Amino acid sequence: GDSVTQTEGQVALSEEDFLTIHCNYSASGYPALFWYVQYPGEGPQFLFRASRDKEKGSSRGFEATYNKEATSFHLQKASVQESDSAVYYCALTGQVVGQLTFGSGTRLQVYA
Amino acid sequence: EAAVTQSPRNKVTVTGGNVTLSCRQTNSHNYMYWYRQDTGHGLRLIHYSYGAGNLQIGDVPDGYKATRTTQEDFFLLLELASPSQTSLYFCASSPKGWGGGAETLYFGSGTRLTVL
Repeated sequence: GDSVTQTEGQVALSEEDFLTIHCNYSASGYPALFWYVQYPGEGPQFLFRASRDKEKGSSRGFEATYNKEATSFHLQKASVQESDSAVYYCALTGQVVGQLTFGSGTRLQVYA
Repeated sequence: EAAVTQSPRNKVTVTGGNVTLSCRQTNSHNYMYWYRQDTGHGLRLIHYSYGAGNLQIGDVPDGYKATRTTQEDFFLLLELASPSQTSLYFCASSPKGWGGGAETLYFGSGTRLTVL
């Protein structure tokens, strides 16, 4: 079945550092790819998506580019802030209408 | 912004107990979902529905029932709760399903369930 792999379970950075969180996927067909963010005590929130190869999604300074050949959708931000501390989830649409498959999440901690 | 309200926020029960988690969305979304969130597993889909009276099975349905009574209300039922069902449960809704057009999920704030 479809799957999403996030290799970093936790990332610790200082403010103004460059962020990369890796996301690779395995899926038949042509899935849409998503990033969600979850702040403490809240549910996940949609960050952005990309639906086709080489499309870049972006929001709040975060961005990721759909790479079909590498089956990747890595999240990046040029200069992180303490307020970016959260758990980030990569996700994809499944073969079945209505299903979204999430990765295991990456906890980002940014220190002032 | 879509509003999804879950209740209760916290619930403690014993093994074999009967638990109902409630979810209400007030934006007339067609699709509603129940996920569980566990460390190392991320978010896993339990059940979902595309309208009142409809129920679809997700990836981890064993031990759970669900019922969509109205467009707004979606319930998750644990009739014989077990410690393995201790988890953080999220309800979500979306305007429609996907399979061409990718839609956004709107999540509630979660219900933390502990089964002793």
